[in-house]
Amino acid sequence: KAGVTQTPRYLIKTRGQQVTLSCSPISGHRSVSWYQQTPGQGLQFLFEYFSETQRNKGNFPGRFSGRQFSNSRSEMNVSTLELGDSALYLCASSLAGDGGSPLHFGNGTRLTVT
Amino acid sequence: QQQVKQSPQSLIVQKGGISIINCAYENTAFDYFPWYQQFPGKGPALLIAIRPDVSEKKEGRFTISFNKSAKQFSLHIMDSQPGDSATYFCAAGNDYKLSFGAGTTVTVRA
Repeated sequence: KAGVTQTPRYLIKTRGQQVTLSCSPISGHRSVSWYQQTPGQGLQFLFEYFSETQRNKGNFPGRFSGRQFSNSRSEMNVSTLELGDSALYLCASSLAGDGGSPLHFGNGTRLTVT
Repeated sequence: QQQVKQSPQSLIVQKGGISIINCAYENTAFDYFPWYQQFPGKGPALLIAIRPDVSEKKEGRFTISFNKSAKQFSLHIMDSQPGDSATYFCAAGNDYKLSFGAGTTVTVRA
């Protein structure tokens, strides 16, 4: 069974631009979560989607948004990019996302904002 | 506010030795405690997980010890191997999300 796939692997953007990251979960998984990983803040929860509905959201500004499609694939969008948005963005999927279902992570999208 | 505190930040162990990583949490509503292993350039991979109704869980060379009253849990890596050199994250979960510790970089010297 294929793992979680994230595209693209690397992105370089300029301050003020916006970016869209894509995530394809493991087949059969209905929950998709997004995390930001930085050396200073570690892994921080962005949001979680289940059956196209956002069920939980972390403490990030409104510039960070996401959505989930009917096939469980998900996208996250960051608008008006800032230098501090440079990070590894990780997508994770699970069967039910109930806080107890194992999360399976992709290898992430490395975003660099210049 | 960091909900899961992890220590040490890094450790070096000789091949065949034992690596021990500790975590403490605040939120008593957490009911799922996984450990993840991450190699450079890769996403975190689930290593082992435990629920609060169990005090210990062992899978191969990896053991989680859980102390509910102290709100602490730890990972023991027995017979450490050079291939175990990675960053390890503890986490605690509920309500569709995980809160992660800051990570421990483990280096196993041959």
